Amino acid sequence: GAVVSQHPSWVICKSGTSVKIECRSLDFQATTMFWYRQFPKQSLMLMATSNEGSKATYEQGVEKDKFLINHASLTLSTLTVTSAHPEDSSFYICSATRGGLSEAFFGQGTRLTVV
Amino acid sequence: QQQVKQSPQSLIVQKGGISIINCAYENTAFDYFPWYQQFPGKGPALLIAIRPDVSEKKEGRFTISFNKSAKQFSLHIMDSQPGDSATYFCAVSTGTASKLTFGTGTRLQVTL
Repeated sequence: GAVVSQHPSWVICKSGTSVKIECRSLDFQATTMFWYRQFPKQSLMLMATSNEGSKATYEQGVEKDKFLINHASLTLSTLTVTSAHPEDSSFYICSATRGGLSEAFFGQGTRLTVV
Repeated sequence: QQQVKQSPQSLIVQKGGISIINCAYENTAFDYFPWYQQFPGKGPALLIAIRPDVSEKKEGRFTISFNKSAKQFSLHIMDSQPGDSATYFCAVSTGTASKLTFGTGTRLQVTL
């Protein structure tokens, strides 16, 4: 199967700072990438959908100015959590797909802790 | 409105037994029904998926049963092993590459 890599695997940052999470498709070109958020012992909630070269589409209730998504190339999407607060602490997971009937491949996730 | 309901929330099965997890959906437009396995601290991994044109799909010890009229689908894990202990999520989407809506998850524990 295809490989999707997230970096970093975990990060701790201070309140008020920004943190960037990278999602890379290592062996295929990803036409679409998705960003999910998962709280402990809960399900994955879709935050946004990003297509290469265009603006991300955010789900209802997700602050686009707080969670900046950039899909600059067919192999890289980034999620920047701006002015992070403790309530932003969560597990962030990306997935990538080739498009069409291709399945979605998930990254290993990034554990963000805001102190 | 919850688009997909998953049960049970948790499940304990003895080694060698059958684990059964169920999901029900509302929107008949959904046409892709995958099951994912997630270990703690890891991203979910696709186990098996089905489309509504078939009623059952089997891959190794994993089987999906799909009931289109009832809008339900289930995951059966045969000969459950301790290594199967994980959280399982069903999901739905319209078209494989579309955004997935996940169920609430089932924590499976397989005991010796």
